[in-house]
Amino acid sequence: KQEVTQIPAALSVPEGENLVLNCSFTDSAIYNLQWFRQDPGKGLTSLLLIQSSQREQTSGRLNASLDKSSGRSTLYIAASQPGDSATYLCAAKSAYSGAGSYQLTFGKGTKLSVIP
Amino acid sequence: GAVVSQHPSRVICKSGTSVKIECRSLDFQATTMFWYRQFPKKSLMLMATSNEGSKATYEQGVEKDKFLINHASLTLSTLTVTSAHPEDSSFYICSALPPAGLSYEQYFGPGTRLTVT
Repeated sequence: KQEVTQIPAALSVPEGENLVLNCSFTDSAIYNLQWFRQDPGKGLTSLLLIQSSQREQTSGRLNASLDKSSGRSTLYIAASQPGDSATYLCAAKSAYSGAGSYQLTFGKGTKLSVIP
Repeated sequence: GAVVSQHPSRVICKSGTSVKIECRSLDFQATTMFWYRQFPKKSLMLMATSNEGSKATYEQGVEKDKFLINHASLTLSTLTVTSAHPEDSSFYICSALPPAGLSYEQYFGPGTRLTVT
């Protein structure tokens, strides 16, 4: 059974700092890994999706890396801004013998606060 | 990216009543839709997977008679919480998957906050 862990649970940084959020997964046989942003009381906004054959994806100030063999992914945020404050979730898509052919397993998230 | 909507965004109901939540894929046909539940400071937990025109498949521990799911069309799935109790209060999020080959990314709705009094 896939398990996804995110460390730290919360992070507070001053504006302008570069930061790294960590995500680890127990089953390396994943189809892809996705990073989401969730604002309080809101749904999920997809940030980056990395296919299993890829090593990284970039979008603006965000860069996500994937190391399947070690079961790790990182989300790098450059030059953080107060508007980046949110909870960041990672989710691994892996084979699943239950309801469907695969399952998306979420971590509990890292709550980021960027202090002006 | 593709858009998934949910209605209502917030609902308050009395204990014992039923509540229906709608999930729509606005610009693509979703052969598969998923319903998740999110508890405070917890991960999203998959409740059930539904394929258009067939019965939903529920995860272990989810009561199918309490959480009724209907996926009657390729753009609409509904979740009905029957005989709601305060412990059903939660944030419910749906997700839709386009037909295979177009994308392997699931698209998520904005969520519905259910409060049962």
